[in-house]
This record gives sequence, C-alpha cells and structure tokens, in this order.
Amino acid sequence: RKEVEQDPGPFNVPEGATVAFNCTYSNSASQSFFWYRQDCRKEPKLLMSVYSSGNEDGRFTAQLNRASQYISLLIRDSKLSDSATYLCVVIPNDYKLSFGAGTTVTVRA
Amino acid sequence: DVKVTQSSRYLVKRTGEKVFLECVQDMDHENMFWYRQDPGLGLRLIYFSYDVKMKEKGDIPEGYSVSREKKERFSLILESASTNQTSMYLCASSRGQGALPLHFGNGTRLTVT
Repeated sequence: RKEVEQDPGPFNVPEGATVAFNCTYSNSASQSFFWYRQDCRKEPKLLMSVYSSGNEDGRFTAQLNRASQYISLLIRDSKLSDSATYLCVVIPNDYKLSFGAGTTVTVRA
Repeated sequence: DVKVTQSSRYLVKRTGEKVFLECVQDMDHENMFWYRQDPGLGLRLIYFSYDVKMKEKGDIPEGYSVSREKKERFSLILESASTNQTSMYLCASSRGQGALPLHFGNGTRLTVT
C-alpha cells in the first residue's frame, strides 16, 4: 500500500464551482500535512499547511481527519487559474516527506 | 526570495553514460533533497542531505549517488544511466530542522536513450 494516495482525477469543473478532493495516508503517526500546487511543467509550490482544526486561505479550505487518516482540500468559486495538479504531502518523520501522486483539477470557462 | 537553480532544464543521455545533475540554492539552507517525479507515482525521494558532506538515502537510492561538498550545492550522479531513469528530477532545499517548507528548483527532464 502506498503511504499517500490521491484520486488522480481529473476533476473538470466550470468556473465558479466548488471542487473538493481527499488524500489518504497510511502512517497513523504522521504529524504534519500540506498541500502543494504544481502547474504544468513547473515545480511544486507550497499552497497551504493543514492544521488539526482545519484552516482556510481565501477560497481554499484544508481539513484533517485523523480518525480516518485523510486530508482534504476544497476550492470554492473556482477560477481558471486554479487549474493545476494538487499534491498532498505527509510527514511521517522530520525529513522524509511522502508525496501523493497528485489530483488534477481543470477549471473551464 | 529563495532560489533553487538546476543546471539543465532538459538532458538527453545514452545508456551507460555517467550523468551529473547539479543543484544550487542561494539561501544558506541546511537541507537539500533530490526527487524524481513520474506519472502516477508522484515525487519519490532519492537522497537528501542535512549538512555539508552528509547524505542519507531516500526511498529509491539504487542507481544514484550524491555529493555535497559545499552547503549551497547538491549534486545527483547517475553512475551508469539506464532507460528506467528517464524522469523529471527535482531538487529542493529547506532551512533548519525538518524538511518544510520545501523550495523546489524548476526541474531537469532527463531522457536516457
């Protein structure tokens, strides 16, 4: 079983829609969680951390469910510029991050 | 702004060649990492280093070695390139204890023929 699994998508949504997707992890001792965004042919960039109580950053909401061992990302009022691949990152220990393979989101006009 | 620079954007090498991928960061970060990214597999850690001359194996070190002689530079070496090493290689760096936040270079797409 992979340490981190994501639905690869793609999620095709119209502008203005809400889209949400999850990332499951296998190591129950994982302490830190993040979402990265990767545009086509570009490097991944940190989007947001995921806190235990859930957190928002503008139109983006991240949540953690420790009992079921998954994190989620919700994008409200989708923009064309939100089209990207979203990578979840789980840290089972200090240095060895585990990346999901990514969920592709395509926002259409 | 942190800058992580990878020496080549695209590389084409032949099977059996020795390949050097160079990465330089300008923010005095202690930690540096080499990942490869393949469709459906995501990013997989090859090697990382948390100090000069220190190195640790990641999840898929076979067929690779690394060198960190200076703090700002972390080199990935493919001793004898093989076709299954065709991939996107991403270098990253971070400061201090732990790995995040990671700052990535813009990647080197290596093709081994």
